[in-house]
Amino acid sequence: AQKVTQAQTEISVVEKEDVTLDCVYETRDTTYYLFWYKQPPSGELVFLIRRNSFDEQNEISGRYSWNFQKSTSSFNFTITASQVVDSAVYFCALSRFYGQNFVFGPGTRLSVLP
Amino acid sequence: ETGVTQTPRHLVMGMTNKKSLKCEQHLGHNAMYWYKQSAKKPLELMFVYNFKEQTENNSVPSRFSPECPNSSHLFLHLHTLQPEDSALYLCASSQDWTAEGGETQYFGPGTRLLVL
Repeated sequence: AQKVTQAQTEISVVEKEDVTLDCVYETRDTTYYLFWYKQPPSGELVFLIRRNSFDEQNEISGRYSWNFQKSTSSFNFTITASQVVDSAVYFCALSRFYGQNFVFGPGTRLSVLP
Repeated sequence: ETGVTQTPRHLVMGMTNKKSLKCEQHLGHNAMYWYKQSAKKPLELMFVYNFKEQTENNSVPSRFSPECPNSSHLFLHLHTLQPEDSALYLCASSQDWTAEGGETQYFGPGTRLLVL
């Protein structure tokens, strides 16, 4: 069975601080995809990144970076120099190679205070 | 219109009412999904349609009835709901799963439903 754990329920930081959101997953598949989504107060889930299990290179996109470590089954997300607009709930998700059985973690609520 | 749209954005209904939620995707995708998001609960996948065929029904009560007339439209028909059905209902779409990137789901803004 597939499972995603986000142990941090809520995190509060002050603007300009760096913050890392943890994601640990379980799967018996050798090929799979990992995702991060952002859900601002408006409700819509915004796709941030997809990573396949063959690619363990870390990725950076502006202030966002992702650290994928297969050895620890983790796919952590770091926001550098956080801003108030980063306040949202962030979901980590896992899917099988052909997109079925898409599983979301419980989410981490990030509050960035001015 | 771009992306995934959902109407209405907010809905209040009584337990004896019948209403429908509508989802439309403008991304040329072939798979569509309904999710339920309750307060303090993980996202729950309700239904999956791939090329208009229902491929998944996660033990959803029969008071929720999906309909997918074509690959661009998805409906969720509601009747005799319970107060515990109050939640944010999210629609998503993705490409054909066999396509590169086909597993990435794109979400609409959701319908906030309150059942009185």
